This record gives sequence, C-alpha cells and structure tokens, in this order.
Amino acid sequence: AQKVTQAQTEISVVEKEDVTLDCVYETRDTTYYLFWYKQPPSGELVFLIRRNSFDEQNEISGRYSWNFQKSTSSFNFTITASQVVDSAVYFCALSESSGGYNKLIFGAGTRLAVHP
Amino acid sequence: GAGVSQSPSNKVTEKGKDVELRCDPISGHTALYWYRQSLGQGLEFLIYFQGNSAPDKSGLPSDRFSAERTGGSVSTLTIQRTQQEDSAVYLCASSLAGRPPQETQYFGPGTRLLVL
Repeated sequence: AQKVTQAQTEISVVEKEDVTLDCVYETRDTTYYLFWYKQPPSGELVFLIRRNSFDEQNEISGRYSWNFQKSTSSFNFTITASQVVDSAVYFCALSESSGGYNKLIFGAGTRLAVHP
Repeated sequence: GAGVSQSPSNKVTEKGKDVELRCDPISGHTALYWYRQSLGQGLEFLIYFQGNSAPDKSGLPSDRFSAERTGGSVSTLTIQRTQQEDSAVYLCASSLAGRPPQETQYFGPGTRLLVL
C-alpha cells in the first residue's frame, strides 16, 4: 500500500537556524514521483519540488534543499537559515503510475514555526 | 497567468442543507482533482476528472457527495444534506493532462466549509 509518513507533527525553531523536515514513503511501484508542498496560513498549497524515482541527485534551490535516498525510502527537506516567512505546514506527497493517473498520497504534514 | 480559483472561500451552513463548491482550474489544464483537508484525516483525495469524465470517484465519502465538470473547465462539488463531519477545507487542483505520475498539481486556495 502507498503511504507517506511525516513523523514530525510540529517543529519550532529560532530564525536563522537550519531545520530538516522528514518524509518516509512506502510504495510497490518502481516508477513514482515525490513532491513537497508548502501551506502558509492563507491555506493555499504551494508547489515546491517534484522528484522522480530514478533521479537520486540532491537538489538545492536557494535556502531549500532536498535529500532523496531510495535505500531508506526517504525524501527529506532542509531549510537553511530559516526565516519567519518559512512558517507554514509542509506536506510531502507521493504519486504513482499504477492508478493510471496522478493521484497524490499526502503525509500528515509538519507544522514549522520560525520565531524571530 | 491565473491560478486555480475556488469559490466561495468560506461557507457556513446548517446541518441538512445542500452546498455547492466551485473550482476554476488553470486555463488549458484537462485534469482536475478534489481533495478534502480535515482535522484528524489530513489531505484526502475525493475525485479526479479528465475532461468532463470522472474515471475515479473512489474518494467520495458517501452518496451525498457528487461532482461534475462542464466544458472541460469549471467543476462543482455538491454535498447534499450536509453533516457536521463534512466540515473541512475542500481543495481543488489541476494539472496539464493528468499524465501519471509526473505531473505537478497546482492547488487553489480552498473552500472552508463549516456545518453547524
């Protein structure tokens, strides 16, 4: 069964600290995609990154970086030098091909609070 | 360009009344998805449209829930005889062609439904 686990319910940090959000997934497919979305207080889910199962290169975008490790079925997200504007709920999601379309399976989300 | 829009942004209704939630996808996106975000249940898939057809309605929680899409664009999610457990944020997303599993889904701001 497909499943995404975000074990950290809430994280609180002080501005400029680095923070890592964990994501562990389960799937029987060999072809799948992983996503991270940000949900600020306004409520809209904002797309951050998409990574396919065949590309294990880590990715960096500004202060954001992602570590994909197939061996441990993890796709962790690190924010370097966090800022107050990073405060949001972050969701990791899995998409598989077996369903014939792009249904997303979401983790429960991690609420990040960055304090000044 | 314009993103996914949803209306109303907030809806308060009395138990037993019917409600209609509207979603306008990104122009040109043929795939449309409805999700529900509620406390304790996280983000759950409800239904998927490819054009005006709904190949997967498996996430609709009961027969009180229905959805349609017209002109390959606007979609309406209808909840009949609302119950208090229907209170949630209903999110709509669209993607270019629904091609699994790599397409990114772009989300609207959601409709917050409160059933009294």
